[in-house]
This record gives sequence, structure tokens and C-alpha cells, in this order.
Amino acid sequence: DIQMTQSPSTLSASVGDRVTITCRASQSISSWLAWYQQKPGKAPKLLIYKASTLESGVPSRFSGSGSGTEFTLTISSLQPDDFATYYCQQYNSYPRTFGQGTKVEIK
Amino acid sequence: EVQLVQSGAEVKKPGESLKISCKASGYSFTSSWIAWVRQMPGKGLEWMGIIYLGDSDTTYSPSFQGQVTISADKSISTAYLQWSSLKASDTAMYYCVGGSGYFDSWGLGTLVTVSS
Repeated sequence: DIQMTQSPSTLSASVGDRVTITCRASQSISSWLAWYQQKPGKAPKLLIYKASTLESGVPSRFSGSGSGTEFTLTISSLQPDDFATYYCQQYNSYPRTFGQGTKVEIK
Repeated sequence: EVQLVQSGAEVKKPGESLKISCKASGYSFTSSWIAWVRQMPGKGLEWMGIIYLGDSDTTYSPSFQGQVTISADKSISTAYLQWSSLKASDTAMYYCVGGSGYFDSWGLGTLVTVSS
């Protein structure tokens, strides 16, 4: 199985901050990486796929980059609606695997 | 627009069997893939397995192989996740998701509680 490791596990930030979350794969996954946002009590929502392609309807303050084994999700200016948990997921091979999640909290 | 409608919450006792469902609409059911994702209380997301709705070809995560069965009935556009003997550790939210790679559509989840 490909292991996905996110850092940090928790991030405290203020509205307007630039936020970066890192996701590392245990082996190369090319660009086959997605990012999701999950709010408490809700199903996750797709933000980005193929490492950097923004899903339709997702605000442009979200961006993704990387390839191979290292990836980042950046929120350019954190908004109140962005406080949530974020997960990366690889789809290079089976079984699909998720990172452990990064919780973005209000500072 | 793709919609995945999951069956309602379940409360079961250890050792009981269970089958939960996920009905798809809004796209070509028979040319699509449905996966199941587990989220235990307060924990992260775990991919359990996937089924191709056209011919019921199924792939399981090794972590869940032999623990659950994924099936589908294309005549009613529905995928299933079932257990033959539940354990307390099966208590979780279970999401059905659309897609074979990344998941662009999610059901609301089915909460399964296993308690004596």
C-alpha cells in the first residue's frame, strides 16, 4: 500500500493568513493526487484533483501543486468558511489511500 | 448532477448481519464506479473497496478483504456494503462515493452503530 503522510496534523491560523498543508507519498504517484475538505458532521468535498486541477465551483484561493512524492495544498487567504479538516488521497494504485488529515483551527 | 442516496442509520448487536445501500442517479450507472469509505468516530478516511457497476467487478483494500462484501444491482442503480457478523469495531460512518480515482460525488453517509 502507498502511505500518505500529511503535515502538520493541526494548524492554527487567522482569517487572511496564507496556509500550506503538505502531503507526502511513500512512493511516486505522479500527479494522481486529490484534496478534500471536511466540515464536522458533513461528507468530504472534493477540492482539487490531478494534484493541481481545481474542481468546478471551488474558490480560486485554493491551489495545489507537486508531483512524484511531495504535494502541497495552499489557501491564499484563509476565510471563515475554510476552518475544516483537509485530506489528501492518492489514486495511482489500489488500494486508494488517504492522508491522516490536517485540521485547520482558528488561532 | 450525480446524486448518491444512502440508506438510513442502523443500530445492531455484535454478531448480527447488515447490508447498507447506495442508490445512484443522474449519470450512467452502468458505466461508473462506486467505492465505499469508512470513517470511525473522530478518525480519518479509509478506502474500503470499489465496484464497477457495469459488470460488478470488485477490488477490496487488503484491510477490508474478507471483512465486508461489496455488491451491486444495476437494474435498480444501487450498490451495497454488507457484513455477515458485525463487531463493535465496525461502528463508523460509511460513505459511498462516485469515481474510480478521485471522488467527486459523496453520499451523506450511513452511520452504523454496533453495541450490545
